[in-house]
This record gives sequence, structure tokens and C-alpha cells, in this order.
Amino acid sequence: EAEVAQSPRYKITEKSQAVAFWCDPISGHATLYWYRQILGQGPELLVQFQDESVVDDSQLPKDRFSAERLKGVDSTLKIQPAELGDSAMYLCASSAGRTSSYNEQFFGPGTRLTVL
Amino acid sequence: GENVEQHPSTLSVQEGDSAVIKCTYSDSASNYFPWYKQELGKRPQLIIDIRSNVGEKKDQRIAVTLNKTAKHFSLHITETQPEDSAVYFCAASRGANNDMRFGAGTRLTVKP
Repeated sequence: EAEVAQSPRYKITEKSQAVAFWCDPISGHATLYWYRQILGQGPELLVQFQDESVVDDSQLPKDRFSAERLKGVDSTLKIQPAELGDSAMYLCASSAGRTSSYNEQFFGPGTRLTVL
Repeated sequence: GENVEQHPSTLSVQEGDSAVIKCTYSDSASNYFPWYKQELGKRPQLIIDIRSNVGEKKDQRIAVTLNKTAKHFSLHITETQPEDSAVYFCAASRGANNDMRFGAGTRLTVKP
């Protein structure tokens, strides 16, 4: 069964450093999402792509976060500089998007970021 | 934008009992309501979903009900088992190409 892949699974960094996370969605899925999940809370959408275009980045802290999906397949989320409050699980999800009327999303295993 | 509230935040039941988790949403245009189960350290996984054109959906021991007028939906788990212990999230969205808003989660513990 196809799954969403993410790497790394764990990342420890010091504040003010740059970090990057990678996501490979299920093949053929047009829509890709990046979520941040703070311990004990639900996932919070950071950015949503439809193919290579950003559909929604209203909750992305653009002064330090950036995301790209250049060829409309895999995606990278970057934080520069990292802050202590960025410690969280970063989840990537994908959905069929165009080919489905509803938004069933499939999640990757996540990257757990710890900022020291 | 959409706002989803979920209750209770924690729920403890005895094995074999039923568990009910409730969510409310604010955007009347929302038409898709999934429920995700997240075990400790694992990814959220879809367990059941409901579209706005139906009021109830059942899959074995799991059922979801939707009241569009009141803008609330609920997850019902019958004959609970210890392996049902996890965090459950509800969510709401307006279909494809629209972002999904999640509730804060309910930590369900099923005691053997």
C-alpha cells in the first residue's frame, strides 16, 4: 500500500540554526499539506499545495518558514532561524485533490523537531 | 475561517463500554467530516468519515453521526477494546482544495 514518506524522522537543532524537512506524497496525489502538531494538540495547517502552487499559506510564519514543491511532486519545508517554540511534530499529508470531491488525506510518519 | 471544537479532551471507559466523542464546527459550508485515530508516536490514520449529504455512517463498531442544522458531529465506538486506546481527532473541511481544520483531540483510554 502506498504511503506518504517523510525524512528525517527526528531532528535536533539549536536555536537560530536552519532546518529542512522533506516529504514525498503518494504517487499521483495533486494536493500536499504541511501541518504542525504541538504535543497534546491537533494538527495545524501550515501550507497547502495544489500541484506546484500554494493554495493556502495563511498560517505559515513567513518570516522564518518557507515551503516549496517545485515540480509538483515532493516538497520541502524550511525553518530559518529555528526558535524554541518551533519544537513540534511536522506532518505531511497528501490527497487526490482534483480527482476527488472530498478531501481524504493520508499522513506521513512525521518529523519530530526539537529545538535546544 | 473554520473553527472545530472537540469534547471531551480525555475519556476513560471500561472495556466493553461505549465511548462518544463530540465535535462542533462553525463554517456552514463544511461538507466533509473525517475522524482520525493517532496512536502514540504514530501518524494519524483515517478511521471513518462522513459527507454532508448523509446523517449517519457505520463501520463495524464505529459510527459517526452528523447534525448539519446544529453543526455538530459525533464519533461512537461500541464494545470498546484496549486497542481502541489512542487520541482521536475530528476535522472539518469544505471538500477538495480546501484546508482541513482539526479539533484538539480526545485521549481515549480503555481499561481492561
